Amino acid sequence: DQQVKQNSPSLSVQEGRISILNCDYTNSMFDYFLWYKKYPAEGPTFLISISSIKDKNEDGRFTVFLNKSAKHLSLHIVPSQPGDSAVYFCAARDSGGGADGLTFGKGTHLIIQP
Amino acid sequence: NAGVTQTPKFRILKIGQSMTLQCTQDMNHNYMYWYRQDPGMGLKLIYYSVGAGITDKGEVPNGYNVSRSTTEDFPLRLELAAPSQTSVYFCASINGLTGAGVGELFFGEGSRLTVL
Repeated sequence: DQQVKQNSPSLSVQEGRISILNCDYTNSMFDYFLWYKKYPAEGPTFLISISSIKDKNEDGRFTVFLNKSAKHLSLHIVPSQPGDSAVYFCAARDSGGGADGLTFGKGTHLIIQP
Repeated sequence: NAGVTQTPKFRILKIGQSMTLQCTQDMNHNYMYWYRQDPGMGLKLIYYSVGAGITDKGEVPNGYNVSRSTTEDFPLRLELAAPSQTSVYFCASINGLTGAGVGELFFGEGSRLTVL
């Protein structure tokens, strides 16, 4: 059973428009959420994160929103640029403070159309 | 600024063969991880280590072994390779604080393994 779900395998957006990537989770013990970006033949790279005590975190063109009651988070990219075309993974950390890494979603392939 | 380095980047194995995927990091991170990513799937944790001499199983450890003799190196060994181990393997590290959990992991570029 997936604890972190990204239900859209792919998303196509026009350059300059807003890209919205969604992520749902089921584990109430998650206290920290991250988005990673992955280009082909490269490893994932950290993009932005949010603590469960916040509902929004912004970094330049990237904003992550967290709705704890709905167990939902989203990544907004405004404006979308061609270099944003990549696979985006949502990840979550358990609040138990253990070292056993992050739980990842399956990823959403974002395609920015010129 | 090498970060996390994985070798080899590509490898084809025959069923039953064994091999070791190498991972080394130069950031003096204490926590290290091995994940695998199957097509269309997220990353699944194979093994992790919180320091030299300490390793622990993740979600999918069967068919793999690890060791951590130094802070820098965390090799992943596949014994008796099977087609189900065809995947892309990622090593990651972080300077973890005991009790605080992990945050932003630093990943290597990946090792693509095919077992035929």
